[in-house]
Amino acid sequence: EAGVAQSPRYKIIEKRQSVAFWCNPISGHATLYWYQQILGQGPKLLIQFQNNGVVDDSQLPKDRFSAERLKGVDSTLKIQPAKLEDSAVYLCASSPGPELNEKLFFGSGTQLSVL
Amino acid sequence: QKEVEQNSGPLSVPEGAIASLNCTYSDRVSQSFFWYRQYSGKSPELIMSIYSNGDKEDGRFTAQLNKASQYVSLLIRDSQPSDSATYLCAVTGAGSYQLTFGKGTKLSVIP
Repeated sequence: EAGVAQSPRYKIIEKRQSVAFWCNPISGHATLYWYQQILGQGPKLLIQFQNNGVVDDSQLPKDRFSAERLKGVDSTLKIQPAKLEDSAVYLCASSPGPELNEKLFFGSGTQLSVL
Repeated sequence: QKEVEQNSGPLSVPEGAIASLNCTYSDRVSQSFFWYRQYSGKSPELIMSIYSNGDKEDGRFTAQLNKASQYVSLLIRDSQPSDSATYLCAVTGAGSYQLTFGKGTKLSVIP
């Protein structure tokens, strides 16, 4: 079974530039998450999708971050404009469905450096 | 705001010893508790889940839960150098399946 795919693996940008990350969850997984993990901290949930609908985006800085999952499969997370404090690993995770949401399968992440 | 607290470590134990990792949580109605292992530069992977008070054993790993004390722990018996990683505690709240993670405890097993 293929795992959660993410790209790019690394990204270096200057502050005020824009960046986009892509995620393809495990086939058949209805729930998709984007987490931000700052060095030395645990992952923090940014947004949760159930199929193509948003379940929770309360911790997403909506003035600069946006995410979509148009066909209920793959997803993109965008930052525009980026700030220095956005330097982190962005993890995508998926799970089979609502009753099993806590069993997350993580992708390898995108490490973002904002200079 | 749910909080999950862990000692960031590093925790160093000799090979073959028992490693004890601790976690406390603030939301009294938290329902589900998990331990994820994260190797340096890698993504987290689930190693244990526990839902009711008491102990749960899986191989060399034992998770312990005490809801009255709002405390969950992970014991690793016969620690191996390959166990060296950061261990993340995560909890869900009542009626919610969303995970709140702690900052993690870095474990080093010394050969």
